[in-house]
Amino acid sequence: NAGVTQTPKFQVLKTGQSMTLQCAQDMNHNSMYWYRQDPGMGLRLIYYSASEGTTDKGEVPNGYNVSRLNKREFSLRLESAAPSQTSVYFCASSEQNSNQPQHFGDGTRLSIL
Amino acid sequence: DAKTTQPPSMDCAEGRAANLPCNHSTISGNEYVYWYRQIHSQGPQYIIHGLKNNETNEMASLIITEDRKSSTLILPHATLRDTAVYYCISKGRNTDKLIFGTGTRLQVFP
Repeated sequence: NAGVTQTPKFQVLKTGQSMTLQCAQDMNHNSMYWYRQDPGMGLRLIYYSASEGTTDKGEVPNGYNVSRLNKREFSLRLESAAPSQTSVYFCASSEQNSNQPQHFGDGTRLSIL
Repeated sequence: DAKTTQPPSMDCAEGRAANLPCNHSTISGNEYVYWYRQIHSQGPQYIIHGLKNNETNEMASLIITEDRKSSTLILPHATLRDTAVYYCISKGRNTDKLIFGTGTRLQVFP
């Protein structure tokens, strides 16, 4: 069972470079999410997509863009990476507007020098 | 969504029950209580959730007080592999957003 798959698992960028983080789910979920987690902290929501074709800002959207390519895939783009965006990024998916839980990927560890 | 508060850390001996408390005194009637855990730096893993009644699955039990202002996650026989950060989150059915706090770091020792 693949669940939520994130690529790449690790990435090192230089300041100013761009990068797209990929996420795909095979559970036919409508809703997908991108979170970041900084050391010693809980996850913070960057963007989410309630359904194909819709996206909304979360708690910390600045410096990021997202694309809900289709029902399966939700990508996160850093147009001009900054050291403050060094973090672990998690993608998740869930049924829309239900009490069912979110399912998370294994994360992308991103370092920006 | 209601704010939850948890102790920052707890210890538990291997084989004993781990009881992790969570306060959610401002929870509203349609908000569920969810528990996730994060082992090392892996993605959060769903454990259990409930609304009013106590719940049990293969991983844990969830005890919710009658007034719903607090709950306890019970790992009946803790193992070393249960060492993780445990998050208690409240969420209503009409929103998909989870708000993570800093959780409880559970250390299971031999």
